[in-house]
Amino acid sequence: SQTIHQWPATLVQPVGSPLSLECTVEGTSNPNLYWYRQAAGRGLQLLFYSVGIGQISSEVPQNLSASRPQDRQFILSSKKLLLSDSGFYLCAWRGGVNTEAFFGQGTRLTVV
Amino acid sequence: GQQLNQSPQSMFIQEGEDVSMNCTSSSIFNTWLWYKQEPGEGPVLLIALYKAGELTSNGRLTAQFGITRKDSFLNISASIPSDVGIYFCAGQGSNFGNEKLTFGTGTRLTIIP
Repeated sequence: SQTIHQWPATLVQPVGSPLSLECTVEGTSNPNLYWYRQAAGRGLQLLFYSVGIGQISSEVPQNLSASRPQDRQFILSSKKLLLSDSGFYLCAWRGGVNTEAFFGQGTRLTVV
Repeated sequence: GQQLNQSPQSMFIQEGEDVSMNCTSSSIFNTWLWYKQEPGEGPVLLIALYKAGELTSNGRLTAQFGITRKDSFLNISASIPSDVGIYFCAGQGSNFGNEKLTFGTGTRLTIIP
């Protein structure tokens, strides 16, 4: 069966520090991968998605970037965090279009 | 871009009552998904819909893919305390770039004892 792992679960980082969040999927190949951000009490905002290795689509201009160095690995990064980067970050995968999306457990990022 | 309007934003109901929430889109969708999220966790898939007019049940939950392909609803019958959470709809458009999955703003369900 397929599983998705996301870490760390919580992270407290100072303003100006770098960020690296990792997401990996097991039990499937060539998944579509997604990064979402959720502000407290709000909906999910799509940040990036990827349909293959090295292929990244960005949805909103921001202080973050994403990379997909391997088929089942998706990384969210920042060189210098801002206070406004705080939030709940969720990784998700799909087998393709017209299929369900499955989420990781999320990373709670607090920038101080 | 694609817009999803989800209503109501919040609901306060008594245990045993039925619940109904819906999502509408500004454009045609090929897929509608319904999720439930509990505090501090990722959303969990409840129901997936792939055809206009499709009506699907999962226990006490029933969801329908609107015939116009621009809306969907979720019903919960005989609510119980563990139904508390935030419910999200999500849709995939039919246009180029349909790898994207757009989420509604969520419906927060609270059950009054």
